Amino acid sequence: DAKTTQPPSMDCAEGRAANLPCNHSTISGNEYVYWYRQIHSQGPQYIIHGLKNNETNEMASLIITEDRKSSTLILPHATLRDTAVYYCIVREAAGNKLTFGGGTRVLVKP
Amino acid sequence: GAVVSQHPSWVICKSGTSVKIECRSLDFQATTMFWYRQFPKQSLMLMATSNEGSKATYEQGVEKDKFLINHASLTLSTLTVTSAHPEDSSFYICSADPNTASGWYEQYFGPGTRLTVT
Repeated sequence: DAKTTQPPSMDCAEGRAANLPCNHSTISGNEYVYWYRQIHSQGPQYIIHGLKNNETNEMASLIITEDRKSSTLILPHATLRDTAVYYCIVREAAGNKLTFGGGTRVLVKP
Repeated sequence: GAVVSQHPSWVICKSGTSVKIECRSLDFQATTMFWYRQFPKQSLMLMATSNEGSKATYEQGVEKDKFLINHASLTLSTLTVTSAHPEDSSFYICSADPNTASGWYEQYFGPGTRLTVT
């Protein structure tokens, strides 16, 4: 079973920041938070991951709360091509099994 | 970044026949590969974990005799759907683990194979 909870859908305006929340209240100390996205009819694409510190890369920023029970993925300037289902996943660093939950269906509107 | 390919990208077969789907890591070696299935408007469901040179580990509820997995090399895993039926129609996605020595790694996903059984 997925250990994360995400809102099923959200809309955001093109050019604005998109903030995607994820709850993972039962996360354990050695589990990382990973974010993937899946554009329609394609395989999932890795976005970012983190343990406890905030992380940033060319695609997004990941903000993890101090208690690690929730996180937020930030797409700084959403484009129409960011329309996808975004999955928040927790998994152990040494393990490599990914359990997908329902994800958040993000629709970027002009 | 690392690339995973799947072949074919889509296939239509008749009920009762078998279909083989290939998953290749193009620029890295993968000791472990994974097979997922995704039905329309649903999330990905892990079917099995494929380890090079050993038997695959199947998730609960997945019939190992129906979904044959072979991982004969560090760059190739195959999934064969035997005696396919219309309910096996789905989007099959593989992923590969580069197995870096850093202790953590991202999985790289293939583009998926859409199977339609008529």
